[in-house]
Amino acid sequence: GAVVSQHPSWVICKSGTSVKIECRSLDFQATTMFWYRQFPKQSLMLMATSNEGSKATYEQGVEKDKFLINHASLTLSTLTVTSAHPEDSSFYICSFRLAGYNEQFFGPGTRLTVL
Amino acid sequence: GNSVTQMEGPVTLSEEAFLTINCTYTATGYPSLFWYVQYPGEGLQLLLKATKADDKGSNKGFEATYRKETTSFHLEKGSVQVSDSAVYFCALIESSTLGRLYFGRGTQLTVWP
Repeated sequence: GAVVSQHPSWVICKSGTSVKIECRSLDFQATTMFWYRQFPKQSLMLMATSNEGSKATYEQGVEKDKFLINHASLTLSTLTVTSAHPEDSSFYICSFRLAGYNEQFFGPGTRLTVL
Repeated sequence: GNSVTQMEGPVTLSEEAFLTINCTYTATGYPSLFWYVQYPGEGLQLLLKATKADDKGSNKGFEATYRKETTSFHLEKGSVQVSDSAVYFCALIESSTLGRLYFGRGTQLTVWP
């Protein structure tokens, strides 16, 4: 199956700093990508959807100025958590979708802890 | 709208026991159905999928059949192993929603030796 990587796999930062998470598709070019966050023992919550070269579409309740998404190319997307606070601590997971395929391929996730 | 309902956990079984995790869905169109598995501290892995009614997805001894008449996609395994301990998510994609996945809440499975 398609391979998706995320970097870093875990990060600890101080409150008020910004953190960038990278998501790469290693062996395919994806037109649509998704960012999710997952709290402990809960399901995945979709944060935003983006198509390459276009602005991301954010889900209701997700602050677009706080969670900056850049889908710069067909193989790379980044999520920047700006001015992170402890309540932003979570597991962030990206996924890509291939054009014409009804399936998503998930990254391994990034655990963010804000002190 | 689209939604997925799966049985609440946690589910605790002894090794070699039979597993069923129920999943039902609501969709306005013709969805594809998926089961994903998440091991502790990891992302999601696709376990199996079915794209149309009566299809059976299978992988690693797990099976699920797409039942349109009951809008269900129950996950089964005849003999679970300790290594199957994980969280299992049922999900659907409907073609009209541009590939967005709708997840169930997840079911924690713990298998004891």
